[in-house]
Formats: sequence, C-alpha cells, structure tokens
Amino acid sequence: RKEVEQDPGPFNVPEGATVAFNCTYSNSASQSFFWYRQDCRKEPKLLMSVYSSGNEDGRFTAQLNRASQYISLLIRDSKLSDSATYLCVVKPGTGRRALTFGSGTRLQVQP
Amino acid sequence: DAGVIQSPRHEVTEMGQEVTLRCKPISGHNSLFWYRQTMMRGLELLIYFNNNVPIDDSGMPEDRFSAKMPNASFSTLKIQPSEPRDSAVYFCASSPLSGSYNEQFFGPGTRLTVL
Repeated sequence: RKEVEQDPGPFNVPEGATVAFNCTYSNSASQSFFWYRQDCRKEPKLLMSVYSSGNEDGRFTAQLNRASQYISLLIRDSKLSDSATYLCVVKPGTGRRALTFGSGTRLQVQP
Repeated sequence: DAGVIQSPRHEVTEMGQEVTLRCKPISGHNSLFWYRQTMMRGLELLIYFNNNVPIDDSGMPEDRFSAKMPNASFSTLKIQPSEPRDSAVYFCASSPLSGSYNEQFFGPGTRLTVL
C-alpha cells in the first residue's frame, strides 16, 4: 500500500463548479499535511497547509480527518486557472524533515 | 529574489554516459532535497541534506546514483552509468532548517532523457 494515495483523475468540471479531492495516508503517526499544486511541466508549489481544525483560503478549503486518515481539498467556484495537478503531501512523524507526496489528482476546468 | 536554480534544464544522453545535475538552493536555506518524478511512480524523494550533511539517502535507487553538497550554495546529483529507466524529471528543492516544518521551494527541474 502506498503511503499517500490519491485518485489520479482527471476531474473535468465546468467553470464555477465545486470540486473536492480526497487523499488517504497510511502512517497514523504523520504530523503535518499539505496540498501542493503542480502546473503542467512546472515544479510543485505549496498551495496550503492542512490544520486539524480545517482551514480556508479564499475559494479553497482543506480538511483533515485523523481518525480516518484522510485529507480533503474543496475548490469552490472553479476557474480555468485552477486547472493543474493537486498533490497531497504528508510529513511523517519520525523527526525526518522529508515529505511524502501523493501521485496527484489532475483537475481540468472547462469553459 | 532568485529561486532554486537547476541546470541543465534538459539533458539527452545515451545509455552508459555519466550525467551530472546541478542545483543552487535559495540563499539562507539549510535543507536541500533531490526528487525524481515519473508518470508511473510520481514524485519520489531521493536524498536530502541538512547543513550540507546527507541525512537520508534511502531513496537513492542504487549505487549508480550519488549526490554531494560541498557547500551551502551548491549540490550535484550524478548518475553513472545512466540507463533508459533513469529518464525522468529531477527536481531540487530547498527550505529553511528552523522550525518543525518549512515550505519546500522547488527548482524548475531537469528533464533527463536517456536513450
């Protein structure tokens, strides 16, 4: 079983739609969680951290469910510019600073 | 401010040749990471350094791969000899060392093709 699993998609949605991605992780001792965004043929960039209480940044909402070991990302009012691959990222709770990346979920927002 | 700089951006080589990828982290960042990304395996951590010291190289696929960080502003990833299955995008990332976690800033990547 992969440490971090995501539905690869693609998710094809019209502009203005609401779309949600889920991600599951296997290490129950994981401490920190993030969503990174990667545009086609570009490098990954941090989108937002995921806090236990859930957090929102504009049209983006991230949630963490430690009991079920999953993380979600909700995008409201999708824009064409949201088209990208969204990577679920977990920091293991072993003191290591390295991150474990999911394979990503591809989103295509259509006009 | 300059971000993470990687060179070359593209490399095409023949099987058996030595390949050297280069990275300059963001000034002041103490942690440096080398990743490899393929369609099949996604983004995999190869090795990371704290203060120029290798901390975890468990992701390095085999002895053909080696990485060095001779100083705080430069790192190399070398593949010798290269094989077609090494074809991938290789990313370097850096982050500050202070705190339990800091955002990792990725370079633009080196797209390696081994024929």
